[in-house]
Order: sequence, then C-alpha cells, then structure tokens
Amino acid sequence: GAGVSQSPRYKVAKRGQDVALRCDPISGHVSLFWYQQALGQGPEFLTYFQNEAQLDKSGLPSDRFFAERPEGSVSTLKIQRTQQEDSAVYLCASSLGTSGTEAFFGQGTRLTVV
Amino acid sequence: AQSVTQPDIHITVSEGASLELRCNYSYGATPYLFWYVQSPGQGLQLLLKYFSGDTLVQGIKGFEAEFKRSQSSFNLRKPSVHWSDAAEYFCAVVSMDSNYQLIWGAGTKLIIKP
Repeated sequence: GAGVSQSPRYKVAKRGQDVALRCDPISGHVSLFWYQQALGQGPEFLTYFQNEAQLDKSGLPSDRFFAERPEGSVSTLKIQRTQQEDSAVYLCASSLGTSGTEAFFGQGTRLTVV
Repeated sequence: AQSVTQPDIHITVSEGASLELRCNYSYGATPYLFWYVQSPGQGLQLLLKYFSGDTLVQGIKGFEAEFKRSQSSFNLRKPSVHWSDAAEYFCAVVSMDSNYQLIWGAGTKLIIKP
C-alpha cells in the first residue's frame, strides 16, 4: 500500500504477556519512528531508526520495551511482561529524509493490558 | 525542557464559523513547527508545517497557521469550519536536541455544532 501500515490495529493482552507490534513503513523511507500515545495526550517519542540502525532509544520507558528494524524496512516493537501502564496507542511513522521532513503516520495499534 | 502547549482541551464552534486553535512553544532558535489532525480511527495527518520564510503558512483542507516569534505561537486558523473538521488537532515542534524527534502538545479536540 501507499501508506504506513500497522498491525494489529487492536491488541488485548493479559498482564505479564509479551506482545509484538508491527510497522510497515512507506517503501524507501529512511527514517522510522515509534511513538506512544496515552489516552487524552499527545504522542511521546519512543525510538528512532535510520535504515536498520537504531539511533535513538531514549524514549523507551523500560527495558521491557525493545524495537528492531533488521532490514531497514519493517519494524517491530516488542513489549515484554506487559503492565497496565503500557496500555496506549502505539504509533509508527516514517519519513523519506533524516531531519525535519514530513513524517507519515500509521493508524496505530491500540494496546489494552488487562 | 522544550515543550509545546495547547491551552484548549476542547473547542466547540458552529458549522460555518471561524476557528483558531492556539499553540505555544518553548524553543531558543527558529523552530520547525507542525500541525497534525487525528480523526477517529485514522492516523495523524499533516495539515501544514513551518520551517522558515513567510510566517503565514497555508495547508490542506483550507487551514492556515501564523508563526509569531515574539509570542512563541503558531496558531491554526480556518475561516469557515465544516462538520468534517471535527477531530483532534496536535501542534508539534522538532526537538532541538535531535533533528528528527517531534515534541507534541496534548491536543485540542474540535467539536462542531450543527
């Protein structure tokens, strides 16, 4: 497709369960971002990839969060041992360039931890 | 720390009326500023952006925004709103610590009265 695709759209996880969220960026986009959006809030930065290199993971809230982009295209955000506070919408975005260029967002994955 | 403030959590306007959504930022240098719209079930869509030059920026869907350095503001305007404009609007600025990370306001929910 032409846009950023995220799957699944919705995920319900039991507390303690591991989850994996997938992002298919726009083909050819160098930069890929993950953001976390809590209910009623703006997105918060999690991590940034330039091609396959994870250049910034400063926003990952704990070592239970892990992201990868092994071939510089599809990315996976993994959350281990989910907690209730992990409930949020996880947004993926990609952009053609590496600085200040327009980021295109996917529809997000809504994670609910019960 | 760098921040973006959207002082209005909700705004209600009548269809056909004019709209102004406020955004204030804290930043030392000339910022890269964005407005995004998020409709229910949709991803974030870029409305417009300001990098430099003319301080009045035109965007999609009839929106415009004006960068005022003296007021540290980047308010979004539309002369006549349509029911389809009902959505959440986010102002964002590129982080001065990195040239790729976006720092977001908490959003303003726009409600349209028929």
